[in-house]
Amino acid sequence: DIQLTQSPSSVSASVGDRVTITCRASQGVGSSLAWYQQQPGKAPKVLIFDASSLQSGVPPRFSGSGSGTEFTLNINSLQPEDFATYYCQQASIFPFTFGPGTKVDFK
Amino acid sequence: EVLLAQSEPEMKNPGESLTLFCEVYGYTFTNYWIGWVRQLPGKGLEWMGIINPVDSDTRYSPFFRGRVTISADTSISTAYLQWNSLKASDSAVYFCARTMTRGLPSTFDYWGRGTLVTVSS
Repeated sequence: DIQLTQSPSSVSASVGDRVTITCRASQGVGSSLAWYQQQPGKAPKVLIFDASSLQSGVPPRFSGSGSGTEFTLNINSLQPEDFATYYCQQASIFPFTFGPGTKVDFK
Repeated sequence: EVLLAQSEPEMKNPGESLTLFCEVYGYTFTNYWIGWVRQLPGKGLEWMGIINPVDSDTRYSPFFRGRVTISADTSISTAYLQWNSLKASDSAVYFCARTMTRGLPSTFDYWGRGTLVTVSS
């Protein structure tokens, strides 16, 4: 299986901050990487697919970059509704594994 | 509007069988792969497996292969996740989700609300 690691595992931030989350894959996944946001008690929501494509309806303060084994999710000007857990997922090679998650909470 | 309607919460005893369903609305069921994701209490997301409803081509995570069965009934646009013998360690929330690329396994774009399964004696 492809292993995904995320760093940091948690980050404390304030409204208006810029947050960067990194996802690293144990082997190359091309650009087949997605980022999801999950609020407590809710289903995940896709933010970014194909490493850098913004899902329809997602605010442009979210952006993704990277390819191969290293990927980044940036959140510019953090908003109150952005405090959540973020997961990366590779969709290149079965099984389509998730990263362990990064929790963004209030500083 | 795309909607994935999942089963109500379940409480089961160890050793019992269980089938969860995921009924889809708002799109042609056979056009998109559909998958299942587990979330243990307080933990992260685990990709369990995925099925192509058009031909029932199913791919499992090695961890879940043999532990669960994923299936689909195209006549009622419904996917299933089945256990023959539950364990306490199966207690979790189970999400179904649709892949976003027509005809190909890919990222999930639409998700069900999740079904809480509690296995306890």
